[in-house]
Amino acid sequence: GQSLEQPSEVTAVEGAIVQINCTYQTSGFYGLSWYQQHDGGAPTFLSYNGLDGLEETGRFSSFLSRSDSYGYLLLQELQMKDSASYFCAVTPSWGKFQFGAGTQVVVTP
Amino acid sequence: DAGVTQSPTHLIKTRGQQVTLRCSPKSGHDTVSWYQQALGQGPQFIFQYYEEEERQRGNFPDRFSGHQFPNYSSELNVNALLLGDSALYLCASSGRGGFNEQFFGPGTRLTVL
Repeated sequence: GQSLEQPSEVTAVEGAIVQINCTYQTSGFYGLSWYQQHDGGAPTFLSYNGLDGLEETGRFSSFLSRSDSYGYLLLQELQMKDSASYFCAVTPSWGKFQFGAGTQVVVTP
Repeated sequence: DAGVTQSPTHLIKTRGQQVTLRCSPKSGHDTVSWYQQALGQGPQFIFQYYEEEERQRGNFPDRFSGHQFPNYSSELNVNALLLGDSALYLCASSGRGGFNEQFFGPGTRLTVL
């Protein structure tokens, strides 16, 4: 079976740092992706971890530990425009994707 | 450079009807995946098409079928519509080697009455 768990909501103030955790159970695993989706919009790709370790892209970083079946997305220097839903997604087999239920990030002034 | 496009934007059908949704991938992409996203939920993988073949499939019944054309565009067909099929249907494209990064279209909002 396959399952992903991520918190349903996180609230933080502008300028803060937010970490969204994602734990997964899957029979196969190529990598862990993160997507952002604003209300009424399409998901947009943020990052991908195929190997253990940290990937940094501007204010966003993503981490993967295969041995712990765990990853996280780190959002730094939060801005109001970062208010959105964030999804982790695993690739259990080539070409197949499983998304989590999403974490709603609310940024307050 | 045109991104992923989908048509129609919105669609209203009644139970038992059939629907066809269309997707044109981002220029240079040859792989198309379809997702169903219910309100407040993450996208659920329906299937992926590559080289005009269904390469992968999620846990969806046979009422959901698809097709990919030689120009890489794709269709999603849903037969015998149920109320529970009401959702946002998203198409995503990727390059053959870039399965880790998908570009999503704006989606088709399907309402089944």
